[in-house]
Amino acid sequence: DQQVKQNSPSLSVQEGRISILNCDYTNSMFDYFLWYKKYPAEGPTFLISISSIKDKNEDGRFTVFLNKSAKHLSLHIVPSQPGDSAVYFCAASDNQAGTALIFGKGTTLSVSS
Amino acid sequence: DAGVTQSPTHLIKTRGQQVTLRCSPISGHKSVSWYQQVLGQGPQFIFQYYEKEERGRGNFPDRFSARQFPNYSSELNVNALLLGDSALYLCASSFEWTAHNEQFFGPGTRLTVL
Repeated sequence: DQQVKQNSPSLSVQEGRISILNCDYTNSMFDYFLWYKKYPAEGPTFLISISSIKDKNEDGRFTVFLNKSAKHLSLHIVPSQPGDSAVYFCAASDNQAGTALIFGKGTTLSVSS
Repeated sequence: DAGVTQSPTHLIKTRGQQVTLRCSPISGHKSVSWYQQVLGQGPQFIFQYYEKEERGRGNFPDRFSARQFPNYSSELNVNALLLGDSALYLCASSFEWTAHNEQFFGPGTRLTVL
């Protein structure tokens, strides 16, 4: 039973436009959410996070929105750049579980110039 | 500063064999976690260690074991390898034990079981 779901395996966007990646979760105990980016032959790289007490967190071109009632979060990238092309993983954590992260299957973002 | 390092980069084993994977965390980091990433899936949590003690374990069989050494490096051991153990094994380190501490991932060890 997947606790973190990324239902779109892939997303294609033109350079300069907005990329929106979505993530749903089922475990109401999750209190911290993260997005990681992964290039081939590299480990995942932390992008941005959000605590369950917030509904928005912004860092440069990246914004994460959290809708607790819908158990849904999204990552917005504005403007999208070709270097953003990678696999994006949504992850969640229950603070009782230490560093253990529950990951979604990932969404492959392709940004064309 | 060096990031998280893992060795070996690639490994090929046959069914029934045993394998040991190694991880060196970022200097000063006391927590190490291990993840398995099967093709087409997200990383799946296996173990977490903090200050040389196991602090958590994912839903993996007893064939999987790990330990953390006094210098905070870690080893992941898998016995009686199965074809389904073929995956990318990722190690992540962080300064503290909680998820609110940023975890830094290594490049992974690609294990192929034939």
